Amino acid sequence: EVQLVETGGGLVQPGKSLKLTCATSGFTFSTAWMHWVRQSPEKRLEWIARIKDKSNNYATDYVESVKGRFTISRDDSKSSVYLQMNSLKEEDTATYYCTPGYWFAYWGQGTLVTVSS
Amino acid sequence: DVVMTQTPVSLSVSLGGQVSISCRSSQSLLHNNGNTYLSWYLQKPGQSPQLLIYKVSNRFSGISDRFSGSGSGTDFTLKISRVEPDDLGLYYCGQGTQYPLTFGSGTKLEIK
Repeated sequence: EVQLVETGGGLVQPGKSLKLTCATSGFTFSTAWMHWVRQSPEKRLEWIARIKDKSNNYATDYVESVKGRFTISRDDSKSSVYLQMNSLKEEDTATYYCTPGYWFAYWGQGTLVTVSS
Repeated sequence: DVVMTQTPVSLSVSLGGQVSISCRSSQSLLHNNGNTYLSWYLQKPGQSPQLLIYKVSNRFSGISDRFSGSGSGTDFTLKISRVEPDDLGLYYCGQGTQYPLTFGSGTKLEIK
């Protein structure tokens, strides 16, 4: 059974940092491309980052709104993917999900990030 | 960026009825590898999104054949037949052809 567990969310002030973790099991993590997708309080879904596998040199890609602020990384030995979020803004408030593959077949429960002073 | 336009924003259907949701992309979703990466998701109340359909018309594992996807290029449709109470929620289309990956704004399905 595929499992994805996102952790690390919380309440943070604008300009601060937060690191999210997604622990996975039930599929071959090392060959999976991993993504982070967020959902705003208004229920809008937004893809924000992707990291490829080792054979693709762990190439990363980001949506423009988070480039230079967010960093996606992975640890294949722990079957985990991370999202380092710096210089957080109020508009980053959302539930953050990690999901593998080409068409987001599996989703975790998400972790809520609230950016507010 | 590819803009995904979903219509209608909401719809109400009687149990046992049929509905269609439209999704139009601002650019063709035909990838140069010949695949069209258009997916449909359902988010039930209080739950995470779940994959229904991938590559336009392929039902994901365990998804009822009451759900069907069709379309090509920039114009796609999700049809739900014999609507059941468990079908209510938010439906999203999403494209995986071009980065940044993008989603439609969602269609809320309510049961009359």
